[in-house]
Amino acid sequence: SQQGEEDPQALSIQEGENATMNCSYKTSINNLQWYRQNSGRGLVHLILIRSNEREKHSGRLRVTLDTSKKSSSLLITASRAADTASYFCATDTHTDKLIFGTGTRLQVFP
Amino acid sequence: NAGVTQTPKFQVLKTGQSMTLQCAQDMNHNSMYWYRQDPGMGLRLIYYSASEGTTDKGEVPNGYNVSRLNKREFSLRLESAAPSQTSVYFCASSVLQGGDGYTFGSGTRLTVV
Repeated sequence: SQQGEEDPQALSIQEGENATMNCSYKTSINNLQWYRQNSGRGLVHLILIRSNEREKHSGRLRVTLDTSKKSSSLLITASRAADTASYFCATDTHTDKLIFGTGTRLQVFP
Repeated sequence: NAGVTQTPKFQVLKTGQSMTLQCAQDMNHNSMYWYRQDPGMGLRLIYYSASEGTTDKGEVPNGYNVSRLNKREFSLRLESAAPSQTSVYFCASSVLQGGDGYTFGSGTRLTVV
């Protein structure tokens, strides 16, 4: 069964708008990570947030983590057409391996 | 740096045939992983190797075997391919098992007919 579930499954926005995607998980974690996957390519690591952190920034990315609600959000500000991709959350659940969610497909229109 | 290299990129097999997917990393990472990706299913872990000489089953190991040949290489073998194994396979590596970002290969698209 999937540990992480992203919401929404698909998101379409215009360039310049912000994109927010959410991830919920079931069990306690060491950390939570976000990855991007362009069509037909491998996944690229974006950002990692540890269980004792509440917010983290990297460029136009902002990640929040609420361990009491077992949820995380990824905000991409001022979206660009090049941000079009699928985004996955992945949780490290004290088991030496990452468990991935089912992903959010983001489409950014020029 | 090449990162994580997977071969082949594409493969078509007939049911019952066998093949080995190769993966090599040049980042001196300790841990390596094999995932499969199916539409709407995200990535599911097949096998992983926390360190050279060790391998462990993931979520969907049936029908697969792995070999951690050395620190650099981690291969995935399908002994008798089935249509249900049609998927995109990704190899990944990390410095620390589960505790750091993974580096992924570009994938192998396998079709079993």
